[in-house]
Amino acid sequence: AQTVTQSQPEMSVQEAETVTLSCTYDTSENNYYLFWYKQPPSRQMILVIRQEAYKQQNATENRFSVNFQKAAKSFSLKISDSQLGDTAMYFCASATDSWGKFQFGAGTQVVVTP
Amino acid sequence: DGGITQSPKYLFRKEGQNVTLSCEQNLNHDAMYWYRQDPGQGLRLIYYSQIVNDFQKGDIAEGYSVSREKKESFPLTVTSAQKNPTAFYLCASSIIPDSPNNYGYTFGSGTRLTVV
Repeated sequence: AQTVTQSQPEMSVQEAETVTLSCTYDTSENNYYLFWYKQPPSRQMILVIRQEAYKQQNATENRFSVNFQKAAKSFSLKISDSQLGDTAMYFCASATDSWGKFQFGAGTQVVVTP
Repeated sequence: DGGITQSPKYLFRKEGQNVTLSCEQNLNHDAMYWYRQDPGQGLRLIYYSQIVNDFQKGDIAEGYSVSREKKESFPLTVTSAQKNPTAFYLCASSIIPDSPNNYGYTFGSGTRLTVV
């Protein structure tokens, strides 16, 4: 069974600064997929970034990047040049198939302050 | 624009009543899912479906039922057997790619269910 752990319930960051969210996971599968989703106050879940486990290169999407450490089963998200609109709950998730069950972490609330 | 529509946005249920949450997608996605979100617990899978007229239980299916009569629609019924139904419910969909890949879910905007 997969498990996903986010150990930081809440993080605060000032505008234009960088914040890193941690995520660890546990799976016995050799191939799997990892995701970060953002849930702003509107509660609409938005895909931020995705990573295939077989790819060595860390995924990046504009100001968002990940540090994928396969051996350590770690998948952290870095938000650079933080903006007020980045204030949201961030969920780490994993999946072992091309569709089907995702396992979500408990979430990290990010608050960006002026 | 393609997307997932959940309705209603807010729903109030009396004790002992069944209520149905609607989820419709026009993305031509094959798979659809229902998740429940409670504070501090992330998202937990209730039911999911790969094809029409077929669905599987997730981790917390007790007290819930679903149907998949059309590809576009995946309604969730919260029955009176669900002892603690007050929560935020999210519907999602995904494509089933031909090659080993996973493009993630597209989510609806959610339904907040409150028992009164």
